[in-house]
Amino acid sequence: NAGVTQTPKFRVLKTGQSMTLLCAQDMNHEYMYWYRQDPGMGLRLIHYSVGEGTTAKGEVPDGYNVSRLKKQNFLLGLESAAPSQTSVYFCASYRGGDVDTQYFGPGTRLTVL
Amino acid sequence: AQSVTQLGSHVSVSEGALVLLRCNYSSSVPPYLFWYVQYPNQGLQLLLKYTTGATLVKGINGFEAEFKKSETSFHLTKPSAHMSDAAEYFCAVSYTGTASKLTFGTGTRLQVTL
Repeated sequence: NAGVTQTPKFRVLKTGQSMTLLCAQDMNHEYMYWYRQDPGMGLRLIHYSVGEGTTAKGEVPDGYNVSRLKKQNFLLGLESAAPSQTSVYFCASYRGGDVDTQYFGPGTRLTVL
Repeated sequence: AQSVTQLGSHVSVSEGALVLLRCNYSSSVPPYLFWYVQYPNQGLQLLLKYTTGATLVKGINGFEAEFKKSETSFHLTKPSAHMSDAAEYFCAVSYTGTASKLTFGTGTRLQVTL
């Protein structure tokens, strides 16, 4: 049981390049989330999904797209990276029900030059 | 809009001293409250949570927090700090019916000195 995994762990992009971050969970959780963490700002929600085939915008969705084609995977895409997207990205998953908690992946550190 | 405020971006305590990390939330509906810890270059780990019931919540590593509705607070405490407690701590809130989206505070970095 690996929990929540993220690929890649580190990446450096040039402005305008595109990339996809992969989040995978093996806990059969319904809900999945993408957050970004920036110094002094805590974690902010980018997009989330309440089930396979669904996605919704969070607090800071601009410049990102997501897809949830399979229940266990949640992809975060950057179509044209900008320096403002330099951040640490965390994925989380959640079974559902008010008493459960979100489980976080180890993070992806992205630098956009 | 709901928000979470953590007072003090950096807190320094001596080993063996009381740890007190402050968290206040603002909302008009009952919250679910969480404390997460993040060690350097790692993801977030849940310390404890409050959903319903007893307002004093005990978590891992000797931490506890008390939900005080009248003060809209959920402060984190530990009677005696250990060097291994040095980390960043995040308070977060969610609400029923919102897909359990978490709103985080800006974090408090705890330093423990000898």
